[in-house]
Amino acid sequence: DTAVSQTPKYLVTQMGNDKSIKCEQNLGHDTMYWYKQDSKKFLKIMFSYNNKELIINETVPNRFSPKSPDKAHLNLHINSLELGDSAVYFCASSQGTYEETQYFGPGTRLLVL
Amino acid sequence: QQQVKQSPQSLIVQKGGISIINCAYENTAFDYFPWYQQFPGKGPALLIAIRPDVSEKKEGRFTISFNKSAKQFSLHIMDSQPGDSATYFCAASIKGGSEKLVFGKGTKLTVNP
Repeated sequence: DTAVSQTPKYLVTQMGNDKSIKCEQNLGHDTMYWYKQDSKKFLKIMFSYNNKELIINETVPNRFSPKSPDKAHLNLHINSLELGDSAVYFCASSQGTYEETQYFGPGTRLLVL
Repeated sequence: QQQVKQSPQSLIVQKGGISIINCAYENTAFDYFPWYQQFPGKGPALLIAIRPDVSEKKEGRFTISFNKSAKQFSLHIMDSQPGDSATYFCAASIKGGSEKLVFGKGTKLTVNP
């Protein structure tokens, strides 16, 4: 069974569109994250939720909105997509925060044309 | 102060050689230092981690060396194998702080057969 899963795996869309990426973890973890990895492989945290509560909200355009319907799911909705949003988006989860191992999903490769 | 500087950006090593990746930080409040390994097309996965109360931690062929006074830590891969070819990220976090991982920019390791 996949521990952290993301859908879709690939997403190709036009500028200005709205899209969502879904993430689910079956590890029973309390904390979930969204990361953005750019073309240079730089990995940067965007958001973190602990038990459905937002605990980290980095400087991210407000076109990005996370939603956690329950502690096993963390979705990312992106409005008005821009070329610069093209990247790989990773969902991750951990039992707690700080020094707990983060388990990453396989990533969603977003290409905005 | 929240940065972790990683070098080199890329590294080519012959099979059986030693791979060394270095990281430096400024914020002395960092107190947890993990290394993540990422294979192409996959999400990062925890490789090994260290707390600053020890100067070295070894797991198989992978060793973290930690120099608290110099604010540096490094990953050594002994007897490097082609299967070790991946991108390696160092990271750091602060207990009781924002509780997020701050990642280095990554090192792409290629081990030639």
